[in-house]
Amino acid sequence: GQNIDQPTEMTATEGAIVQINCTYQTSGFNGLFWYQQHAGEAPTFLSYNVLDGLEEKGRFSSFLSRSKGYSYLLLKELQMKDSASYLCAVLDSNYQLIWGAGTKLIIKP
Amino acid sequence: ETGVTQTPRHLVMGMTNKKSLKCEQHLGHNAMYWYKQSAKKPLELMFVYNFKEQTENNSVPSRFSPECPNSSHLFLHLHTLQPEDSALYLCASSPATSGGAGELFFGEGSRLTVL
Repeated sequence: GQNIDQPTEMTATEGAIVQINCTYQTSGFNGLFWYQQHAGEAPTFLSYNVLDGLEEKGRFSSFLSRSKGYSYLLLKELQMKDSASYLCAVLDSNYQLIWGAGTKLIIKP
Repeated sequence: ETGVTQTPRHLVMGMTNKKSLKCEQHLGHNAMYWYKQSAKKPLELMFVYNFKEQTENNSVPSRFSPECPNSSHLFLHLHTLQPEDSALYLCASSPATSGGAGELFFGEGSRLTVL
């Protein structure tokens, strides 16, 4: 079966750095997405990785290792507004999106 | 005006009621999706429409009935639901489904409670 694993919840301090991991076992791979979802709001696109390596976008970076079936989302200089759920999703060989259950990130002052 | 708009935002219904959820997208996309989001569970894809044609129906019970009259509008008709159907129902759109879903644009969801 296909599976995406990510931690259920993480806590970090304002101004710090946090890394949210995502591991996957899927039938093929056509890219990995990260979405952010604030409570009561729509998920919004953060990043897309299809090649190995690090993609940086401001305070957020996303890393992919296809050989290890592993990705992480790195958030720097954390702000209170970064408190949200972060969803990892993989596009499989049939171009179906397989979703993780999401990681709830709590930022403390 | 947001890209994808869902109404109502909140809905409480009894098990014998009939109601509908509405989704409208103003992005010119050709694909629209219904997802179910339950607490601490992955998003569950329910239906996909590509150019108004249903291309995916992930074994969803018949008490959920989708309708896509045009590329900008999507409905989810609900009848004789069960309490376990209580969840957040998210609508999304994308330019197309062929060659990959690409980035999805989500609405804020309709929070459904079935009593």
